[in-house]
Amino acid sequence: GAVVSQHPSWVICKSGTSVKIECRSLDFQATTMFWYRQFPKQSLMLMATSNEGSKATYEQGVEKDKFLINHASLTLSTLTVTSAHPEDSSFYICSGRRGGSSYNEQFFGPGTRLTVL
Amino acid sequence: GENVEQHPSTLSVQEGDSAVIKCTYSDSASNYFPWYKQELGKRPQLIIDIRSNVGEKKDQRIAVTLNKTAKHFSLHITETQPEDSAVYFCAASIGQAAGNKLTFGGGTRVLVKP
Repeated sequence: GAVVSQHPSWVICKSGTSVKIECRSLDFQATTMFWYRQFPKQSLMLMATSNEGSKATYEQGVEKDKFLINHASLTLSTLTVTSAHPEDSSFYICSGRRGGSSYNEQFFGPGTRLTVL
Repeated sequence: GENVEQHPSTLSVQEGDSAVIKCTYSDSASNYFPWYKQELGKRPQLIIDIRSNVGEKKDQRIAVTLNKTAKHFSLHITETQPEDSAVYFCAASIGQAAGNKLTFGGGTRVLVKP
């Protein structure tokens, strides 16, 4: 159990366009979902934490108006990269945390590779 | 906030030998320490975790030790195999007080030579 999917797995877009990435928990309810960004040969950097039904909490240095996060249901969170630029090219990974769990284990999605031309 | 340092950044071992990766954390309130294995272009996979009320945990060839006083924890892989080659990340979490966030170390690229 505890499977998280992401869509799309990869996307190429032109500079200035917006891209939406979906993160779904397939067999559990994720009251909290996390969005990470990973540049080549680097670690995972947390971008934001989203709780179902409330506004996301962004990490320092992450522009909330550029990276729009919506967590409308217990199984779906979306990240929209608005007006994407080449420096936004990265591997975006989401994770979900089970609702009601006293543990902090996160289940990761397969990631979305974004390339902005 | 929490800061996690991981060493070494790369580790090359001969098949059958042991590999050890060490992490230190800064916030004494951290209470959950998972280890993830990530293959190129894939998702991080949890391989083992330990909570602050335990000093050591083992799962087959993998073990993790935690020293709360010194604020460091280590991953031990015995009898390494070529399929253990990957990037390994440690992480730490303070729990609900910090929104259950994980703070990751910088990663260790492990290469097991046959």
